This record gives sequence, structure tokens and C-alpha cells, in this order.
Amino acid sequence: DTGVSQDPRHKITKRGQNVTFRCDPISEHNRLYWYRQTLGQGPEFLTYFQNEAQLEKSRLLSDRFSAERPKGSFSTLEIQRTEQGDSAMYLCASSLLAGGPYNEQFFGPGTRLTVL
Amino acid sequence: KQEVTQIPAALSVPEGENLVLNCSFTDSAIYNLQWFRQDPGKGLTSLLLIQSSQREQTSGRLNASLDKSSGRSTLYIAASQPGDSATYLCAVLAAGSGYSTLTFGKGTMLLVSP
Repeated sequence: DTGVSQDPRHKITKRGQNVTFRCDPISEHNRLYWYRQTLGQGPEFLTYFQNEAQLEKSRLLSDRFSAERPKGSFSTLEIQRTEQGDSAMYLCASSLLAGGPYNEQFFGPGTRLTVL
Repeated sequence: KQEVTQIPAALSVPEGENLVLNCSFTDSAIYNLQWFRQDPGKGLTSLLLIQSSQREQTSGRLNASLDKSSGRSTLYIAASQPGDSATYLCAVLAAGSGYSTLTFGKGTMLLVSP
């Protein structure tokens, strides 16, 4: 399977715990994005990387959220001191920036987070 | 700030009908527009991408059009099937985002009954 993969697919945690999600992009893609989607809403942008550099962060990304892409391949998204409002689907996408801004994004299956 | 609106929010049709889903966006300075399909509890599957210089794209029974100047796109589904039941999302890649991040609508939930 050469698509975007995410792990875990589901996570249930108690309020106040820390959680970490992983995303593996399509292998040759140099851009990686994180989005969050709550019930009945479209996905909202959180942050994106070009190779290992984090180039943009949304105001939705509070200081409890941190994302890394240390070797320009897979990425992790950590949420510290989870709150019930963090319950959502966390989606990862990747794209190839090649010779211009053509930028079709391919999405993974998502990680469903439930904070009790 | 770019805003994307999708109408209707939900649609129920009998199998075999042709249908149109609508998407509008407030800032016409976009680079491209994507239509996605999302099954319940799943990720997004890209259906069609239209560059700002294009007027339409077709894939099988799907046809998407783009009128950038009026800030509108439509997704036409011909001869709908029960397997088309899903939520359809429209997203734009806008100049204000540095050509990097997509702005999504809330989606149209489609139910096609046999």
C-alpha cells in the first residue's frame, strides 16, 4: 500500500493524559499536513511541513499541541493534557511540491481521538 | 478570510437520478479546487481537482465545473448508485494560504436509496 497511513486508527484517553499520533506520508512526498475534523464539520488546517521544516501553524494549534517531522519522512502530532474539546478526527495528508505550487493533497484514514 | 459553503447540507435521492452538489467560496483568488468523498468514520478520498485555469474536470460519472470569477463550483453525479452514498467535501487552495493549506466546506451528505 503506497498511500498515506496513520496510527493508531482509534484512541480513547482520559482527560489530562498525553497522546501521540503518527503519520507516514506517500514516500516521495515532501509536504505533510495535519488537519482536525469535528463531527459535522469540514477538516480544519493545523500545521504543515515541507521536508523537516514546520512552515505554518494555525491559531487552532494551542501550546498543548506539538508536531514534528524529524527526518522529513514520518510525522508525529502530540497533544499534552488532553481536554474533552480535543475529541476529533485527526487527518494527515501529503503532497509533492515539484516545480510549482501544484499541490494535490492525499489524505490518510485518520485517527479518531475520544477524550473521556 | 476564505470561507467555503456547500449546499445542500444533505440530499436524499432514489437510485438512477442525476444530481448536482454546489460549492461556493468567498475569495476568488484560488489556485485550485478539490472535491473529496468521505465515508462515515473514514478519511478523505480525492475525486477531482480543478486548476484555477480550468473550467471543468471529468472522471467516470463525475463532472466538476469551476467558475472562479463568481466563486462557484458544482459536482455533477450522473446515474447515481447506492454506493455513491457518502459525504462530499469541497476544498479550495487559496492564495492567502501561501498555496499550502486547503479550506474546506462542511460537506453535503448524500444518500442514494435503491
